[in-house]
Amino acid sequence: SQQGEEDPQALSIQEGENATMNCSYKTSINNLQWYRQNSGRGLVHLILIRSNEREKHSGRLRVTLDTSKKSSSLLITASRAADTASYFCATGRDDKIIFGKGTRLHILP
Amino acid sequence: ETGVTQSPTHLIKTRGQQVTLRCSSQSGHNTVSWYQQALGQGPQFIFQYYREEENGRGNFPPRFSGLQFPNYSSELNVNALELDDSALYLCASSLDNSNTGELFFGEGSRLTVL
Repeated sequence: SQQGEEDPQALSIQEGENATMNCSYKTSINNLQWYRQNSGRGLVHLILIRSNEREKHSGRLRVTLDTSKKSSSLLITASRAADTASYFCATGRDDKIIFGKGTRLHILP
Repeated sequence: ETGVTQSPTHLIKTRGQQVTLRCSSQSGHNTVSWYQQALGQGPQFIFQYYREEENGRGNFPPRFSGLQFPNYSSELNVNALELDDSALYLCASSLDNSNTGELFFGEGSRLTVL
């Protein structure tokens, strides 16, 4: 079963623009993570935000978490062609980490 | 690159056969989680092993089974293969089973069932 749902399912933007992806989840969590996956490859961890945090930054990435709305957003600023990938949110609970269906991001040259 | 390695990278099986996939965890990690990812979908949690014991299981039938060895490497076994088992199987290791930290993924094993 999927815990998180990313929105939009697919996103195409011009290089240099900002990309925003959203994630909604259903049950209480310990933390929320964002991962990136290049086509058919393994997932790479991007950033983790704990349930008591509201915002976190890492380089060009900014993540927010609103536990009252059970939602998170990932902002990638100044996008590059190399950012083309699928992005997944993952929610951590006591017994497992559950992934959403992902947002497929395509950066246009 | 993570220190997680999976083998084989690709394999083709026929319905009814059995398959074993292998994963070596990153040094210092005692927990391994397995995920199934169908084309265009997110990874689905199969199960997790912590110190050689199953430590959580997703919504998969008993024909999906696993092992973890004393060196914390792991195997995923699937019996009586079905067409819908065609997917990318991902192994991820972590420092512990608290599910509060980062997962380190291998590159996956792509299984095709004909």
